[in-house]
Amino acid sequence: DQQVKQNSPSLSVQEGRISILNCDYTNSMFDYFLWYKKYPAEGPTFLISISSIKDKNEDGRFTVFLNKSAKHLSLHIVPSQPGDSAVYFCAASARAGGTSYGKLTFGQGTILTVHP
Amino acid sequence: NAGVTQTPKFRILKIGQSMTLQCTQDMNHNYMYWYRQDPGMGLKLIYYSVGAGITDKGEVPNGYNVSRSTTEDFPLRLELAAPSQTSVYFCASSYSNPVYNEQFFGPGTRLTVL
Repeated sequence: DQQVKQNSPSLSVQEGRISILNCDYTNSMFDYFLWYKKYPAEGPTFLISISSIKDKNEDGRFTVFLNKSAKHLSLHIVPSQPGDSAVYFCAASARAGGTSYGKLTFGQGTILTVHP
Repeated sequence: NAGVTQTPKFRILKIGQSMTLQCTQDMNHNYMYWYRQDPGMGLKLIYYSVGAGITDKGEVPNGYNVSRSTTEDFPLRLELAAPSQTSVYFCASSYSNPVYNEQFFGPGTRLTVL
C-alpha cells in the first residue's frame, strides 16, 4: 500500500528551464509534506516543506505547491541548474496524531537530470 | 560536529550470518530512525526511537532488532541474514518530531546478502 507516490521515475530538463516534480498521496491524515534531495553515495537532505494550511511555500529557486482536494503536491525548480541533478523524494507525515505521527512516509523518488 | 555517522559503509554477508549496523549522532537529538532503500523504491522505515530506552516498529521491522541505551547510539541488528535484506540502510535523527525539526541522515550502509 503505497501511501505516497511519485509516478515519474525520471525527469530530464535543460539548464535554465523549469523542473516540475510531482507527488500524490492517499492518506487523508497527512497534513505536512516535505521534499528531500539525495546525491549518489550520500544520505538525503531536507529541501523544503509545506503544511496543509498553506497551498504554496517558496524558498529561493524552490517552490512547493499543495492541492489538498487532489491530494497532490509538486516541487518547482526555477531556473534549473546542473547541480540540481539528484534524486528527489517526497515525504508526508501527520502532525495531529494517528499512526503517522512522528514518522515520515516517503515516495519512490524521481531522478532529475539537468543538462548544461 | 560530525552529524550522523554510520559504520560500516559496505558489507557482504552470507545467508544466515548476523551483523550490527552502527549509527551515532552528536547533535543531542531525541528521535532516531532506521530506513532501508531498495532499488527504485523510496525509504521504508524499519524502526524508530523517540528517546533512550524507547523504540517502536516501523513499516518493515521483520528480521531486525534495535536498542537505544544512550541518546547518541541506535544500532540495528540483523539476525539470520536473508537475500531480501540486501539494501542500502540509512540512519537518521531529529531533535523531535520531524515535521517540526529537520531530519538529518547518515551516508548509508550498503549491505549485500549472498
